[in-house]
Amino acid sequence: DVKVTQSSRYLVKRTGEKVFLECVQDMDHENMFWYRQDPGLGLRLIYFSYDVKMKEKGDIPEGYSVSREKKERFSLILESASTNQTSMYLCASSSFISIAGDTDTQYFGPGTRLTVL
Amino acid sequence: LAKTTQPISMDSYEGQEVNITCSHNNIATNDYITWYQQFPSQGPRFIIQGYKTKVTNEVASLFIPADRKSSTLSLPRVSLSDTAVYYCLVVALSGSARQLTFGSGTQLTVLP
Repeated sequence: DVKVTQSSRYLVKRTGEKVFLECVQDMDHENMFWYRQDPGLGLRLIYFSYDVKMKEKGDIPEGYSVSREKKERFSLILESASTNQTSMYLCASSSFISIAGDTDTQYFGPGTRLTVL
Repeated sequence: LAKTTQPISMDSYEGQEVNITCSHNNIATNDYITWYQQFPSQGPRFIIQGYKTKVTNEVASLFIPADRKSSTLSLPRVSLSDTAVYYCLVVALSGSARQLTFGSGTQLTVLP
């Protein structure tokens, strides 16, 4: 059974602080993703990684960076947190897929609710 | 980039079949469609995925017409525990790159 864990369920930070959100998966998945979820906007992709040390920007990368030093771990970094980054952050992982897209089930963590004051 | 549109909310009664439609008018040839279910305070959970025609698994069916500009998630005989938000996702592939476009979600409320 795939397990994706996130370092915190709830986090409160102050404006300007550097924030690290950690995600770990235990299924040796190649792909990992970071989303933010806001009411009325659904899930929006921030960054994803398809291999160690590789990263690709999603739809809303501004204000965020990521790190993938090990296959099982994908970190989201807010260099200088701002109030508009208050949100639910979701991490997901999936296995490598073919061009035919045979399978790309994403397994999500429980989420981290970040509040920036 | 495919844009997805879903109804904001739907109500149903226990035992009924529920159909939730997602519009994705500019879906490309290699894009495919996935549906997720999310309960409060949990991450989304995979339900079903398809490319064209019809896909069925133990919990749902996915109908995709020939033009692929929409897809319909069908939940047979819903129960109270199916109350959740349902998201449509279009995945566009280009080599190792991908673009993921989630819909804004449909809140399904199942009433007794």
